[in-house]
Amino acid sequence: SQQGEEDPQALSIQEGENATMNCSYKTSINNLQWYRQNSGRGLVHLILIRSNEREKHSGRLRVTLDTSKKSSSLLITASRAADTASYFCATPPRLTFGEGTQLTVNP
Amino acid sequence: GAVVSQHPSRVICKSGTSVKIECRSLDFQATTMFWYRQFPKQSLMLMATSNEGSKATYEQGVEKDKFLINHASLTLSTLTVTSAHPEDSSFYICSARDRTSGGAYNEQFFGPGTRLTVL
Repeated sequence: SQQGEEDPQALSIQEGENATMNCSYKTSINNLQWYRQNSGRGLVHLILIRSNEREKHSGRLRVTLDTSKKSSSLLITASRAADTASYFCATPPRLTFGEGTQLTVNP
Repeated sequence: GAVVSQHPSRVICKSGTSVKIECRSLDFQATTMFWYRQFPKQSLMLMATSNEGSKATYEQGVEKDKFLINHASLTLSTLTVTSAHPEDSSFYICSARDRTSGGAYNEQFFGPGTRLTVL
């Protein structure tokens, strides 16, 4: 299965700082997707980056994709306490998830 | 945006009973829905892919006779946990893809999850 693997497993930062998390995958992809999960809730789709794109922005989110290294990164700028959540990457068609990155933003 | 609902949000049942969880796409049609299970502090594990009008495809290690999936319409899939036991206690999450917006490679929309506790 095309499971994404996120790194680091846990990240703790202060409000206002930037948070960067990474994702690696194994085979060729059509696109790569990032999701967020607040504790005890379902997942929320954040951003989709296609295989022919290298960078994509959405608000405070910036995603990069390096298909030669089979890796992606998610940058959250000017983090807020409300960004505290687990973040996952996955690739379609059958989304399977790694352990995720648990981000804690301290006020 | 596309909304997926689940019902119930929480259920507590006695060991040996069966529990049905519904997953609905509220404002779009979904030919494919997915069921996941998540244990505390762990990732989501894909259990099965539910296709409208056909049998579900189960992941390796998931008992199809224990986790019955029915996808009878383009907006509803159900997961029935039969003869539930305490080890089935978990957070069950469904997701769906909008069939009109690009098919298998677009984003999935997730329900809010159902917390099952088996006593």
